[in-house]
Amino acid sequence: GAVVSQHPSRVICKSGTSVKIECRSLDFQATTMFWYRQFPKQSLMLMATSNEGSKATYEQGVEKDKFLINHASLTLSTLTVTSAHPEDSSFYICSASRAGPGAQYFGPGTRLTVL
Amino acid sequence: RKEVEQDPGPFNVPEGATVAFNCTYSNSASQSFFWYRQDCRKEPKLLMSVYSSGNEDGRFTAQLNRASQYISLLIRDSKLSDSATYLCVVNNRYSSASKIIFGSGTRLSIRP
Repeated sequence: GAVVSQHPSRVICKSGTSVKIECRSLDFQATTMFWYRQFPKQSLMLMATSNEGSKATYEQGVEKDKFLINHASLTLSTLTVTSAHPEDSSFYICSASRAGPGAQYFGPGTRLTVL
Repeated sequence: RKEVEQDPGPFNVPEGATVAFNCTYSNSASQSFFWYRQDCRKEPKLLMSVYSSGNEDGRFTAQLNRASQYISLLIRDSKLSDSATYLCVVNNRYSSASKIIFGSGTRLSIRP
């Protein structure tokens, strides 16, 4: 159990376009989903925490108008990178957890390249 | 001071060796603890949870020392496939929410 999928796995887009990434918990209901970003040879950076049916909580320095998060159901959260620029190129990873202080389960990640 | 601190390594050890990592955390109210491994250009995968009594899973042993606020991971008889970055993860409870804190990871390289 505890499988998380992410789509797409890789996207290459032109500067100025918006990119939508989906994160799904396949075999459990995720009360909370997390979005991370990881630059090469660096550690995971938490961008935001989203709870189903409520607004996401963004980490300091993360622009909520640029990284739109929607957590419409207990199995789906989406991250939209609006007006992407080359500096947004990164590895975006979502994770999901059940209720309580348990482990997080990660999706396989989305590698975004903005030209 | 970071909430979760790890030695970044890299640790470079021969196959078959025993290797141990430590991780310290600053919040004494931390609730739960985990070790994840992350392979290059892949997502982190849960390796094991860490319990107060210590726990073992095959060649891997995890220990928690609440008094000194550190957790450890011991890998015995290391294999080439153990080469990865090992992430220490702590779950802290703040009022009505909990927050997962990741260490920056310890790189392990096993050589033949």
